[in-house]
Amino acid sequence: KQEVTQIPAALSVPEGENLVLNCSFTDSAIYNLQWFRQDPGKGLTSLLLIQSSQREQTSGRLNASLDKSSGRSTLYIAASQPGDSATYLCASGGFKTIFGAGTRLFVKA
Amino acid sequence: DAGVIQSPRHEVTEMGQEVTLRCKPISGHNSLFWYRQTMMRGLELLIYFNNNVPIDDSGMPEDRFSAKMPNASFSTLKIQPSEPRDSAVYFCASSLLGRYEQYFGPGTRLTVT
Repeated sequence: KQEVTQIPAALSVPEGENLVLNCSFTDSAIYNLQWFRQDPGKGLTSLLLIQSSQREQTSGRLNASLDKSSGRSTLYIAASQPGDSATYLCASGGFKTIFGAGTRLFVKA
Repeated sequence: DAGVIQSPRHEVTEMGQEVTLRCKPISGHNSLFWYRQTMMRGLELLIYFNNNVPIDDSGMPEDRFSAKMPNASFSTLKIQPSEPRDSAVYFCASSLLGRYEQYFGPGTRLTVT
């Protein structure tokens, strides 16, 4: 049974700092790995999706990597801004989509 | 496109009542997912459909929960009878069939008193 873990559970950084969010999964037989952002009381916004055959995807200040052999994915945020404050969730895509519990990020101005 | 549409956005009901949540997926998407989010359990997949056919409903917690997708543009999640522990935010998401990005609706916040 797939399990998805996200570390850390919460993170507070000063504005401008580069940061890395971690996601690990137990079953490497995944179709893809998707990163989402969720603002308080809101739905989920898709940030990046990495197909199983890919190693990374980039969008603006965001870069996500995927290493299936080690069961890990990372989301790198460059030059963080207060507007990046949100909860970030990763989800493994396979027969069933399994979500991690999320990392709550706070970027201080 | 308007994105995934869910209704109602908020629902408050009394224990024992029937609740019906509605979802309209993005036009052209042929996979639809129902999720439930709570503080204790996080985001859980309840059921998903491919081409209007339920593929996996193993996440549906009890027989009180049922979901239908009568056509490609509409799905319902019904709880009958509702209980206080069903209180949660219910999300609907859609995607192209297969291994593509899921797009989420704004969710329905359900409170059962």
